[in-house]
Amino acid sequence: AQRVTQPEKLLSVFKGAPVELKCNYSYSGSPELFWYVQYSRQRLQLLLRHISRESIKGFTADLNKGETSFHLKKPFAQEEDSAMYYCALKAWGQGGKLIFGQGTELSVKP
Amino acid sequence: EPEVTQTPSHQVTQMGQEVILRCVPISNHLYFYWYRQILGQKVEFLVSFYNNEISEKSEIFDDQFSVERPDGSNFTLKIRSTKLEDSAMYFCASSPLVTGWGQFFGPGTRLTVL
Repeated sequence: AQRVTQPEKLLSVFKGAPVELKCNYSYSGSPELFWYVQYSRQRLQLLLRHISRESIKGFTADLNKGETSFHLKKPFAQEEDSAMYYCALKAWGQGGKLIFGQGTELSVKP
Repeated sequence: EPEVTQTPSHQVTQMGQEVILRCVPISNHLYFYWYRQILGQKVEFLVSFYNNEISEKSEIFDDQFSVERPDGSNFTLKIRSTKLEDSAMYFCASSPLVTGWGQFFGPGTRLTVL
């Protein structure tokens, strides 16, 4: 079964601390993985794609096929990073639907 | 930067009524999607649409639901006879390609069924 698991509903850190938001997936083929961010009262915004291996707003994520993980990391959290973060998997050849995790609320305290 | 737009932002309806949720995808995108998020739950896929036909639909997308691209710019989701459990945030998304790209989401329509 295709599934995305984000084990933490809420992650609270202080400004300047490192952040790691966990994402594990279950999929038999080669998935495409994404991180989306939703700031308060705003739309879901694409943050990262595993294919591009880019760093956006200081966030990075590496696909680990052995551990079936795609954790989101940032070395120094900022207050403006406070938001909901969703990990999503796109299955190949199935119309491109995204399968979302439950989301993790990141709260960065001053 | 172009964005997906959705109207209305909030729709209140009585159980059993028909509703149409409207979306304008990004103009050069070819793949269109509807998702929904019931309060406190995860975002769930409803349907994908390409080349004027449904390419995939979920178990949620039963005969009460339909989608249409009536005029080459709008993309609509119709619920024929709403139920209380249809109350949710409905998101439209579009993508230029089916692989290699993320999907770009609209701001959502909050549907409340009374």
